[in-house]
Amino acid sequence: ETGVTQSPTHLIKTRGQQVTLRCSSQSGHNTVSWYQQALGQGPQFIFQYYREEENGRGNFPPRFSGLQFPNYSSELNVNALELDDSALYLCASSLGARSGGSYEQYFGPGTRLTVT
Amino acid sequence: SQKIEQNSEALNIQEGKTATLTCNYTNYSPAYLQWYRQDPGRGPVFLLLIRENEKEKRKERLKVTFDTTLKQSLFHITASQPADSATYLCALDILNSGGYQKVTFGTGTKLQVIP
Repeated sequence: ETGVTQSPTHLIKTRGQQVTLRCSSQSGHNTVSWYQQALGQGPQFIFQYYREEENGRGNFPPRFSGLQFPNYSSELNVNALELDDSALYLCASSLGARSGGSYEQYFGPGTRLTVT
Repeated sequence: SQKIEQNSEALNIQEGKTATLTCNYTNYSPAYLQWYRQDPGRGPVFLLLIRENEKEKRKERLKVTFDTTLKQSLFHITASQPADSATYLCALDILNSGGYQKVTFGTGTKLQVIP
C-alpha cells in the first residue's frame, strides 16, 4: 500500500449537483496531483498542488477546482456535475520537484463517481 | 497533435517467457518516462522511472529502455508469472522551469500471463 488514502470510495450523484472528493497524501510528500480515469482509458491530468498552490492544470473546465491544506491533504471539487464526469478519480502524492523530489507518484485507490 | 500510443490489444504470453510492452509518443519532449502497473478497480502503482539521458533502467525482473530518437520506450518483464497479469501504463513527464510536473498517461496495455 502507498499510504495515500481517498474518500469516499464510491459516490452516486445527480446531474447538476456538486461533489467534494478528499485525499490524504503520503507522509513527507508536499505535492498532490488529481486525475480522472474513464473506463478503459489512462488517467487524465486535472491539476497539481504544491505547498497549497496550484502548480499546473490540464484541459479541464473551471468547474473542476481544488485545494491543498497545510498538512498537504487535498480536495477536488466538481460543480454542476455532468454525466461525462462519471469516472474513477485518482489522487497521487509525490515529493515535488522544487524539493528535490524524484517525480515518482504514489496513487490512492481512487473514488468511483457515478453521475445519473 | 501530441499522442502516446500503447498496444491497445491485450498481450497474452506463456508463464516464464519475457513480456515486452511498447510505448510510442509523438510531439513530446519528455524529461522523464514512467511505467505503472494497474489492477482492476485500483490506483496505478509506480514501477520504474527513466530520464531522457538514460538508455536503460533495471529493477529485479523489470527492464525499461528509452529511445528519444525513435520516441519509444520498451518495458520488459522477464520470467513472467501469472501474478504479473495487469494493465501497464506508460506516462510522460513534462517539466517546466518552475518544476511543474505534468504527467500524461497512455491508455495502457493489458498483459495476461498464462500458466
